[in-house]
Formats: sequence, structure tokens, C-alpha cells
Amino acid sequence: QKEVEQNSGPLSVPEGAIASLNCTYSDRGSQSFFWYRQYSGKSPELIMSIYSNGDKEDGRFTAQLNKASQYVSLLIRDSQPSDSATYLCAVIIQGGKLIFGQGTELSVKP
Amino acid sequence: EPEVTQTPSHQVTQMGQEVILRCVPISNHLYFYWYRQILGQKVEFLVSFYNNEISEKSEIFDDQFSVERPDGSNFTLKIRSTKLEDSAMYFCASSVQGSTDTQYFGPGTRLTVL
Repeated sequence: QKEVEQNSGPLSVPEGAIASLNCTYSDRGSQSFFWYRQYSGKSPELIMSIYSNGDKEDGRFTAQLNKASQYVSLLIRDSQPSDSATYLCAVIIQGGKLIFGQGTELSVKP
Repeated sequence: EPEVTQTPSHQVTQMGQEVILRCVPISNHLYFYWYRQILGQKVEFLVSFYNNEISEKSEIFDDQFSVERPDGSNFTLKIRSTKLEDSAMYFCASSVQGSTDTQYFGPGTRLTVL
């Protein structure tokens, strides 16, 4: 069974702080990794994709990938109350099948 | 910006009835997917579809489920005889390419089986 594991949280940070979200995956053959944001009752919304080891930055978001450790993380700098949501780590395995973690609930306090 | 659309947004049905959930993928995308999310649980893969064929399906996607691309724009999920446990959010997604590409999700259909 291919798995993606995340801390469910909730993770609470003050406004302006850095939020750090972590994820591990079990399939060593995975090549594509994604972070989605999901507000309550809504669909997953893509934040970042990452395919190579190292860091990838997009605005306030930085994704980090370490394939040797089977570890993906997402850093959110200057966190805002509007960032409060559930963050889903997802990994593509064979056939384009996207496997999701259970999500980490982030709360940014003003 | 192009987006995936889904109809209806909410479907209520009686147990044992057939339902069809509809999706319009992004127009230049070639790969289509259905996922579901039971309240409070993970998003789960159901099926992937390419070139008018199922590419992959999960163990959830049993004989009660079927998918179809009836024309050049729509992609449908049919549940033949709904069960209480089919109550969930159903998300359609699409991607340009299959095995590694980003999947973009529609807003979802909330299915309630009574």
C-alpha cells in the first residue's frame, strides 16, 4: 500500500511567522510531488509542484524535496490569516494516480 | 484562466438510485480523473481515464461505478445503485499529460445518499 503521511495538526502560528509543514511518502519510485491547499468544503487547490531534490520557491512558499529520505516539506513565510486551511501533500504513483496525505490543518492567528 | 467545472454542486438521492456526476475538464487536457473525499477523511483516487479508456482504477471503483466521455467536452461518473457509504464529495481533475503532470481539480459535487 503506497502511503503519504502528514501530521494532522492543528498547527498554529502567529501572523507573520513561518509555518513548516512536513510529509513523508513510501513509494521510492515516485517522481512528482505536490502541495495543495483545501479550505473547508472546497476542492484541493494547487500551491506548488516539485520534481527534483532541493528547494523550489514561489512567492511566500518554498517546497523542499529529499528523495533519499522520502521527505517533502512546505514552508510558508510571513503567514497570513488567509493561509488558514488544510494543506495536503500528494504524490503521483503509477498511472497518474495521485495519493494524498490526510492533510495538516494550519491556523494563523492575527 | 481555464478551470475544471462540475455539475451539479450538490446531489441528493435515495439509496439504490443511479446518479451521474458531470465534469468538463480543461479543454487541452488529455487525462481525466475522479477522486472522492468522505467527510473528515483523505482524498481518495477512484479512476484515471485517457484516450477513451480507463488507465487505472482503485479497489473502490467496483462494478457499481463507470466513467464515460460521451462527447468532446464532458466526462461523467455513474454510480449505478447508490449506497449510504457513497455519500462524499466527488472531485473531477484533469491534466495535460498523465504520469507526472499536475492535476487540476474541479469544485466538486457533494453526493448525499439517503
